[in-house]
Amino acid sequence: DAKTTQPTSMDCAEGRAANLPCNHSTISGNEYVYWYRQIHSQGPQYIIHGLKNNETNEMASLIITEDRKSSTLILPHATLRDTAVYYCIVRLTIKAAGNKLTFGGGTRVLVKP
Amino acid sequence: NAGVMQNPRHLVRRRGQEARLRCSPMKGHSHVYWYRQLPEEGLKFMVYLQKENIIDESGMPKERFSAEFPKEGPSILRIQQVVRGDSAAYFCASSPRRLAGGHTGELFFGEGSRLTVL
Repeated sequence: DAKTTQPTSMDCAEGRAANLPCNHSTISGNEYVYWYRQIHSQGPQYIIHGLKNNETNEMASLIITEDRKSSTLILPHATLRDTAVYYCIVRLTIKAAGNKLTFGGGTRVLVKP
Repeated sequence: NAGVMQNPRHLVRRRGQEARLRCSPMKGHSHVYWYRQLPEEGLKFMVYLQKENIIDESGMPKERFSAEFPKEGPSILRIQQVVRGDSAAYFCASSPRRLAGGHTGELFFGEGSRLTVL
């Protein structure tokens, strides 16, 4: 699976959009971009994933650049409950790997009032 | 539909004892993954199992650790002769069987079992 690079930490203001960048310059054509988050002491939670098109769901939007070398997770209206570590993961979808995910260090996001 | 259930949520063991952590996947899920998170560190993959089969155990320590997912019942992560360095949160995740020509992509995680070794 391709390596990802994320900022170690970032702050954002409650009610504002939070834009979380991720670099994955070595991504290959059949690798998806996944985002998970881990709120303190809880199990990781799936947020969103995409291949090359931008994606949106009830939690967030995922913007993937045309060359697929980077992406941005957007939390449209951050709340205090969005304080968490956010993980950007690139993963192959070959059958033998199942849905195994390799977590990096992630970005520690602190939403401030 | 209940989520992934892990128990016990907290387990205290003395050095040299055995620890057994159980994971019941979501209904209809036949794939189970175990991860370990040491204090203040990231999640590390340990093992991936399907019913009665270990598919990928590349993250399992070579000694004292074993995992199973029997035909009936929960998946079990077993740690023999625990040491203080085994103190961590152990997370289980499950996913459905892959569909032909597609994938589900998502892992559903439990709330974890926190092992403390005295």
